[in-house]
Amino acid sequence: EADIYQTPRYLVIGTGKKITLECSQTMGHDKMYWYQQDPGMELHLIHYSYGVNSTEKGDLSSESTVSRIRTEHFPLTLESARPSHTSQYLCASRKSSYNEQFFGPGTRLTVL
Amino acid sequence: GDSVTQMEGPVTLSEEAFLTINCTYTATGYPSLFWYVQYPGEGLQLLLKATKADDKGSNKGFEATYRKETTSFHLEKGSVQVSDSAVYFCALSTMGNTGKLIFGQGTTLQVKP
Repeated sequence: EADIYQTPRYLVIGTGKKITLECSQTMGHDKMYWYQQDPGMELHLIHYSYGVNSTEKGDLSSESTVSRIRTEHFPLTLESARPSHTSQYLCASRKSSYNEQFFGPGTRLTVL
Repeated sequence: GDSVTQMEGPVTLSEEAFLTINCTYTATGYPSLFWYVQYPGEGLQLLLKATKADDKGSNKGFEATYRKETTSFHLEKGSVQVSDSAVYFCALSTMGNTGKLIFGQGTTLQVKP
């Protein structure tokens, strides 16, 4: 059983609000990822991190930002939410020596 | 670039029917291949994996064989249950880059009693 947590699970907010989606893992994994899942179910990588103080943008351009100050924590921030940000956000992690990623339960974000 | 193509859904089957979900890939190098499953309202769970040609991954009655000659990794199950209803994603990862996963578009499976 993978130990990766995301909060909140569901969030409904108004346009212009700043939000932070939390992701934490207790497995000591060095690599972490954020994926955006659109209503058609496709998954797109938006951010990843190789380790502490390392962050990179993914394949899909995103207005969100991330930070990695601690190994176990990889929060995603939207400075000013818009309806186009409505989506499910999935966090994942893996150990460098293995290919498989473990996923959190996701945060479903709705921006009104 | 690397890519994964899955058969389009939804797939609707009766309980105890045989399941096949096709997956083909394009990749440089020698990718690892995965099947993930997503139940309603949840994140993705690793179902099975294969890391080299001719490997067979298996779990919970599901199987998939890494076929390098046909660049395929089709998912099969001999007898599906209602509880197998979910979205299934085929994915690949190549160790040489970020280790990111490249996903297919997902296939929805609905099993009716």
